[in-house]
Amino acid sequence: AQKVTQAQTEISVVEKEDVTLDCVYETRDTTYYLFWYKQPPSGELVFLIRRNSFDEQNEISGRYSWNFQKSTSSFNFTITASQVVDSAVYFCALSEDNNNDMRFGAGTRLTVKP
Amino acid sequence: NAGVTQTPKFRILKIGQSMTLQCTQDMNHNYMYWYRQDPGMGLKLIYYSVGAGITDKGEVPNGYNVSRSTTEDFPLRLELAAPSQTSVYFCASSYSLAGRLDEQFFGPGTRLTVL
Repeated sequence: AQKVTQAQTEISVVEKEDVTLDCVYETRDTTYYLFWYKQPPSGELVFLIRRNSFDEQNEISGRYSWNFQKSTSSFNFTITASQVVDSAVYFCALSEDNNNDMRFGAGTRLTVKP
Repeated sequence: NAGVTQTPKFRILKIGQSMTLQCTQDMNHNYMYWYRQDPGMGLKLIYYSVGAGITDKGEVPNGYNVSRSTTEDFPLRLELAAPSQTSVYFCASSYSLAGRLDEQFFGPGTRLTVL
């Protein structure tokens, strides 16, 4: 079965620092989908980005950027110039095309201090 | 659009009681999911459905049952509640077509405590 590893349990930075959240995945499928979600202290889950396995183009959205590398099975997320409002738990997730089972990583808790 | 709605928001059960967590989506999504999130942990998939009448087990299905009689509704049933089922339960939906899986939209969650 597929697996997602977020090795960083907690990260603490000071406002305006850049921070990268790591995500490593395992899959035997050639077609799969990767996601990042944010869970702020209020508890809801907020979608950030979706990538399919055929699209290795990196993406930037404002202060957020994602680096997808199939060679290392990684889909890392960088926040530039972090802000206190970025404090949340961030989850990486994987779904295989042949198996609709969605697997989430354990999450990385990011704390941004003023 | 209300998106994904879940009821109830909170519930306390005694060991051995049963209950149904309701989930409804109004986005005409074909895929629906149930997850549980234990304190400080990630989400684990309980069951999912790729369309009305079709359900399948996820990573942690034991102690739960689901049904999908309509596109909109995907209730989760706990038959004999146990303390290990104390968790926050999230329902989600997404749209999928051949070669494409869109992002999941999540409900606000149901916080369940079994005493």
